[in-house]
Amino acid sequence: EAAVTQSPRSKVAVTGGKVTLSCHQTNNHDYMYWYRQDTGHGLRLIHYSYVADSTEKGDIPDGYKASRPSQENFSLILELASLSQTAVYFCASSESQNTLYFGAGTRLSVL
Amino acid sequence: QQQVRQSPQSLTVWEGETAILNCSYEDSTFDYFPWYWQFPRESPALLIAIRPVSNKKEDGRFTIFFNKREKKLSLHITDSQPGDSATYFCAAPTNSAGNKLTFGIGTRVLVRP
Repeated sequence: EAAVTQSPRSKVAVTGGKVTLSCHQTNNHDYMYWYRQDTGHGLRLIHYSYVADSTEKGDIPDGYKASRPSQENFSLILELASLSQTAVYFCASSESQNTLYFGAGTRLSVL
Repeated sequence: QQQVRQSPQSLTVWEGETAILNCSYEDSTFDYFPWYWQFPRESPALLIAIRPVSNKKEDGRFTIFFNKREKKLSLHITDSQPGDSATYFCAAPTNSAGNKLTFGIGTRVLVRP
């Protein structure tokens, strides 16, 4: 069954530490996305990618890096985690101009 | 940066009533406007989308009305059911390819039996 799988499902990180969130899709989609969700802000786009080895900045890229080593995998990297990055992070994949399929989310708490 | 605004932030209706959710956007380079819904502790999922060759898209009890001139959309949920209780997000594309979506903050809908 086609799916978007995120790992870990939850993580506690220390301020200033490095955090890597991983996403794997079996949908054979070209497009992959990282969104964060906070109460009162809805879903905000951090980074996205439409081809392996290339990433694009979304609406709130500051403090985040992204990596797309293959069509199936897309990572979000927080080099120096901060308290303000506590949120739920969703990865998604899509074909161009079509439905976004979301993973189950990663709940990140930065202490 | 594209702004997508939704109102109200929360809405309570009785079972069988019609819920009306509103959405507006500043600009769009691509005519594709999806609505996603999200149940508590779950991921967002596509509910219905409109590619406005017409001003209306209907799928069962869910209907999108689109006003391009005013840059507004609304989602009508007729005969609301308790299982419709969820947060609803409107989204609009912000690049010419139509694959970069900006979401609104959502409308939380509660349907009371």
